[in-house]
Amino acid sequence: DIQMTQSPSSLSASVGDRVTITCRASQDITNYLAWFQQKPGKAPKSLIYGSSTLQSGVPSKFSGSGSGTDFTLTISSLQPEDSATYYCQHYNSYPFTFGQGTKLEIK
Amino acid sequence: EVQLVESGGDLAQPGGSLRLSCAASGFTFSSYAMNWVRQAPGKGLEWVSSITSGGGSTYYADSVKGRFTISRDNSKNTLNLQMNNLRAEDTAVYYCAKRGYSDLWGRGTLVTVSS
Repeated sequence: DIQMTQSPSSLSASVGDRVTITCRASQDITNYLAWFQQKPGKAPKSLIYGSSTLQSGVPSKFSGSGSGTDFTLTISSLQPEDSATYYCQHYNSYPFTFGQGTKLEIK
Repeated sequence: EVQLVESGGDLAQPGGSLRLSCAASGFTFSSYAMNWVRQAPGKGLEWVSSITSGGGSTYYADSVKGRFTISRDNSKNTLNLQMNNLRAEDTAVYYCAKRGYSDLWGRGTLVTVSS
């Protein structure tokens, strides 16, 4: 099974900052990587698929990159509403697996 | 409106059974693979099971293999998850999600396994 490792597990940033979250796969998943945002008590929301394709309606402040085993999610111009937990997930082969999540706090 | 709505979550005893359903609307349900994903209280997301668009192939996490069965009824735009021999560690919010990269999620249904 492919393991997904996210880092950091948590981070704190200020309004207006740019942050980067990293996701590493234990083997090559080409670009079959998705990112999700989840706020407390809510269902996850799709942000990015195919490593870098923005889901319809998601603001361009979110961007993704990477291929193979190393991927990043970058969020620019942070706002209070970006406070959430972010997850990566591969869908290269079954079983699909998620990263453990990155909790983003906006100071 | 494009949406997924889960139902069927409840309190069940260890060893018991529950059947979850997910009603799809606003898109061509029969064209897409579907997934079940769960989240235990205070924990991260865990992929549970997937089924291909026609229902011909199914996939399961090791943690539920042999106990859970995913199915779909494309004539009724419905996804199901039959959960047998439930364990305390199955306690979670269960979400259904559309296609491999889960571009659409339901709001979830809570399953609690406790005596």
